Amino acid sequence: NAGVMQNPRHLVRRRGQEARLRCSPMKGHSHVYWYRQLPEEGLKFMVYLQKENIIDESGMPKERFSAEFPKEGPSILRIQQVVRGDSAAYFCASSPGLGSYEQYFGPGTRLTVT
Amino acid sequence: AQSVTQLGSHVSVSEGALVLLRCNYSSSVPPYLFWYVQYPNQGLQLLLKYTTGATLVKGINGFEAEFKKSETSFHLTKPSAHMSDAAEYFCAVTQGGNNRLAFGKGNQVVVIP
Repeated sequence: NAGVMQNPRHLVRRRGQEARLRCSPMKGHSHVYWYRQLPEEGLKFMVYLQKENIIDESGMPKERFSAEFPKEGPSILRIQQVVRGDSAAYFCASSPGLGSYEQYFGPGTRLTVT
Repeated sequence: AQSVTQLGSHVSVSEGALVLLRCNYSSSVPPYLFWYVQYPNQGLQLLLKYTTGATLVKGINGFEAEFKKSETSFHLTKPSAHMSDAAEYFCAVTQGGNNRLAFGKGNQVVVIP
């Protein structure tokens, strides 16, 4: 059973470009979470999605960031007009659903903004 | 809102010695508690969890943790450190019905031969 997959593993963008990060949850998992790990700050929750629904986006910056989890295909975290402060590791996690509180993490995408 | 405190960002331990990582949480409702381990340039791996029931939980790689409600703590221990335990360890809490995890800032463990 393949684990949570994220791609790309490393992404370099110039300031002002767009970054798209993809996450494929574990087979059978319908819940996806995105977290951001900034240096010296630990992991911070960004958004929680189910298929075609955003359940909790209280951790998402108000501008430039968006997330989706379509009926078919991976979950996408999109960052428009990236700035240097967006440089971080972005982790996706998945879980089977309500009643299971375990989250399984992917290897992360390390975004560098130059 | 829930939160987690992990003191001491860097922890050094001699090989074969006790590993003790402290975690204190705050939560307005009964918490679910987790310890994760992160090796360099990798994702997080679940070490162990507490949801309900027995307060002493055992995890992978010889680690265990004890939930103490009166102390709002969930400290992680391992009797004998191994070189392969060098990694970063995160304590996390979530509240039932709200699956968002709140993480502590982590402990970077260094094992000294």
